[in-house]
Amino acid sequence: AQTVTQSQPEMSVQEAETVTLSCTYDTSENNYYLFWYKQPPSRQMILVIRQEAYKQQNATENRFSVNFQKAAKSFSLKISDSQLGDTAMYFCAFMKGNNDMRFGAGTRLTVKP
Amino acid sequence: DAGVIQSPRHEVTEMGQEVTLRCKPISGHDYLFWYRQTMMRGLELLIYFNNNVPIDDSGMPEDRFSAKMPNASFSTLKIQPSEPRDSAVYFCASSLKWSGQAGAQVLNEQFFGPGTRLTVL
Repeated sequence: AQTVTQSQPEMSVQEAETVTLSCTYDTSENNYYLFWYKQPPSRQMILVIRQEAYKQQNATENRFSVNFQKAAKSFSLKISDSQLGDTAMYFCAFMKGNNDMRFGAGTRLTVKP
Repeated sequence: DAGVIQSPRHEVTEMGQEVTLRCKPISGHDYLFWYRQTMMRGLELLIYFNNNVPIDDSGMPEDRFSAKMPNASFSTLKIQPSEPRDSAVYFCASSLKWSGQAGAQVLNEQFFGPGTRLTVL
């Protein structure tokens, strides 16, 4: 079974600073997909970024980037120039090709003014 | 598109009552997922459908839970009878798994609805 571990239940960062959220996963699969979802207080789940395991290049979406280390089974999220609107729960997710998506427990990020 | 639509947004009921949660996926999406979110267990996949057919219901906790997808634009998750431990936020999500041409397909993400907060007293 696949497991996703987010070891940081809570984190905080000053506005405009950079923060990195950690995620590790356990799988015997070679082809899979990784995601970071954001859940603000509104409860809406919003996709932040995704990474295909077969791609060596780290995904980037504006201020959000990942450090994907396949051998280490690590998938961290870096948020640059943090904004107050980034305050949310962040979930790391793993998915095989069969659409079975597994989520980590989440990291609550607070951006302080 | 309006996105994934769920109703009701909030439901408060008493133990033993039947609860029905509803979901309208994004038009054209061929996968539909039901998740449950609690503080204790986080986000759990309950069941998912492909082209209206249930593919994997191994996450459904008990026989009290059932889900249907009578057509491509509607799904229900029913709990009968409900219990206080069923209190949670229930999310519906949909996806069009692949897009693009063969050989250059892209895996699409799941789009989530706003969730239904269920409280069973």
